[in-house]
Amino acid sequence: GAVVSQHPSWVICKSGTSVKIECRSLDFQATTMFWYRQFPKQSLMLMATSNEGSKATYEQGVEKDKFLINHASLTLSTLTVTSAHPEDSSFYICSATPNNEKLFFGSGTQLSVL
Amino acid sequence: AQSVAQPEDQVNVAEGNPLTVKCTYSVSGNPYLFWYVQYPNRGLQFLLKYITGDNLVKGSYGFEAEFNKSQTSFHLKKPSALVSDSALYFCAVREGYSSASKIIFGSGTRLSIRP
Repeated sequence: GAVVSQHPSWVICKSGTSVKIECRSLDFQATTMFWYRQFPKQSLMLMATSNEGSKATYEQGVEKDKFLINHASLTLSTLTVTSAHPEDSSFYICSATPNNEKLFFGSGTQLSVL
Repeated sequence: AQSVAQPEDQVNVAEGNPLTVKCTYSVSGNPYLFWYVQYPNRGLQFLLKYITGDNLVKGSYGFEAEFNKSQTSFHLKKPSALVSDSALYFCAVREGYSSASKIIFGSGTRLSIRP
């Protein structure tokens, strides 16, 4: 099946620094990728829809300047958490679909902000 | 806007017994419905989907789900539970069929199968 690679798997950073998370579709092209956030024991919350070659579409309540999304190619989308704070600590997951049907997910990135 | 509800935070079933994980949805158009499973320390995996056609959909690992339009439900079922089925299950709904159609997830149901 299709493969979505997410990197890094986990990251620990100091408060105030920025962290970049990469999401790659390894064997298919994805004009759209999705970024989700998952708090412990809670559901996936859609943060934004990443669109290749254009601006991302953010969900209500998600700060655009806080969570920068870049989708520069058909196989790569990046999420940058700027000036991270402890409340940004969470599990971030990207996903993409090669056929408009089922989503394939990256393995997720556990972010811990000290 | 579409939404999906999973009314049970946890479902406990004895091994060998049938299991049901409930899901109801709300969309303005035709629903595209999915079930995903998240095992501990692993990513989300696709189980099954309903796009169109037969209301009973069969998926991975012996799971199936029944689409009920009148009740706006898409409950996940398995005739005989295994301990290895213990995981977190998410129902999801998609409104529209373009690559940009976002998928919204339910709150998740933790399935626990006791030996």
